[in-house]
Amino acid sequence: AQKVTQAQTEISVVEKEDVTLDCVYETRDTTYYLFWYKQPPSGELVFLIRRNSFDEQNEISGRYSWNFQKSTSSFNFTITASQVVDSAVYFCALSEAGDYKLSFGAGTTVTVRA
Amino acid sequence: GAVVSQHPSWVICKSGTSVKIECRSLDFQATTMFWYRQFPKQSLMLMATSNEGSKATYEQGVEKDKFLINHASLTLSTLTVTSAHPEDSSFYICSARLLAKNIQYFGAGTRLSVL
Repeated sequence: AQKVTQAQTEISVVEKEDVTLDCVYETRDTTYYLFWYKQPPSGELVFLIRRNSFDEQNEISGRYSWNFQKSTSSFNFTITASQVVDSAVYFCALSEAGDYKLSFGAGTTVTVRA
Repeated sequence: GAVVSQHPSWVICKSGTSVKIECRSLDFQATTMFWYRQFPKQSLMLMATSNEGSKATYEQGVEKDKFLINHASLTLSTLTVTSAHPEDSSFYICSARLLAKNIQYFGAGTRLSVL
C-alpha cells in the first residue's frame, strides 16, 4: 500500500505566484517522520525539512512554509513568490520509527516560468 | 555540513562488465546508508540498506548477487553492479543517515549507461 501520496503530478506557475504542493500520508505508527526533498534537474536530492509526528507546529523558512495537519494526515508545502530556480521535482517522504527507511511519494514537478 | 559525495557521476560501460559506485559521507559518520534506483520521471525506489560492518539488507525483488554492497567503514559504502546489462541502465543514488537528526542526506547520483 502506498504510504505517501502526492496527487499533483505537475504544476506550472508564473514567477512570483505562490504554489502549494500536497502530500497525504498513511501510517499506523504513532511515531513517524515526514520529509520534503527537492530534486533539481542536476539530480541531487536536497533536504528541505523534517517534521516528527509530535510536532504539529507549522514552519516557515524564507519563502518556504509547511503545514502539518495530523487530523487529515497531510503535510503540505508552499513556496511563496516562486522563482525560476524553484523549478524542480519535489518529493514528500515518510519514515516510521524503528525502520528509518524513506517511503517516497511519486513527486510533483514544479515549473516556474519567467 | 552533512555532505554526501557519490562517484562517479556518470559511467558508460559495455555489457557484461562490472561497475562500482562509491558513496561517502564527508563530514559525518554513517552506520547506515541507502541505495536507490530512479527511472526517468519516476520516484526513488529503495534497493538496499547498507549497514556498516554487516551484510546489506535488500528490498524484495532486488538481486543481491547482482548488486553487491559493501559498507566497510563509517564513511564509505559501495555498490557494484556485476555483469551489467542494458536493463541495468538507470540513475543510482545513495544516501547516508545522520543519526543525530534522523535525516538522510543524498549524493548527487550516478547515471549508468550499459551498452
